[in-house]
Amino acid sequence: EVQLVQSGAEVKKPGESLKISCKGSGYSFSTYWIGWVRQMPGKGLEWMGIIYPLDSDTRYSPSFQGQVTISADRSISTAYLQWSTLKASDTAIYYCARLQAGAIDSWGQGTQVTVSS
Amino acid sequence: DIVITQSPDSLAVSLGERATINCKTSQSVLYSSDNKNYLGWYQQKPGQPPKLLIYWASTRESGVPDRYSGSGSGTDFTLTISSLQAEDVAVYYCQQYYNPPHTFGQGTKLEI
Repeated sequence: EVQLVQSGAEVKKPGESLKISCKGSGYSFSTYWIGWVRQMPGKGLEWMGIIYPLDSDTRYSPSFQGQVTISADRSISTAYLQWSTLKASDTAIYYCARLQAGAIDSWGQGTQVTVSS
Repeated sequence: DIVITQSPDSLAVSLGERATINCKTSQSVLYSSDNKNYLGWYQQKPGQPPKLLIYWASTRESGVPDRYSGSGSGTDFTLTISSLQAEDVAVYYCQQYYNPPHTFGQGTKLEI
């Protein structure tokens, strides 16, 4: 069974850094694109970017380029999403997701990130 | 970026009736080399991650009830729920995966 298990909820202050994780299991982690999707409170889904763990090829949405960094460590089947300087507007649920030929066929449970002073 | 417009934003349908949600992309998502439409439909219930219902515009994901169907090609697509059940109350999103960024529609809230 394919599973994506994300790290737990985070509460941070503006200006702090953060790295959240997503561990894949039940499939060949290196050979599927993994992506991140943001959902702000009460809002829709926003595609942030994807990474191919085998060679770390990464594609970002222009809306998120330079704002976050997506990485992966295929030795431990884990993908990451990180911020160097959080803002209050980064408050959201972040989902990791496995892509199957582009469509998202598996989702993590979501990580709630709250940024507040 | 490919812009996606879903309609309507919200929809109220009686139990057992048909629900139809539309999705329009700003450019074609039909890839000529494989004749596939790079479009999917997702269902999201409150407090849960989304769930894939339909991919390649019309192929049902394994385990998805056959009352769900997808149709359309090029820039215009439709998700149809043939006979609404109480458990179908959710927000539905379409997504194009033709070109990064793989944009989503704004969502359609389906109520009884």
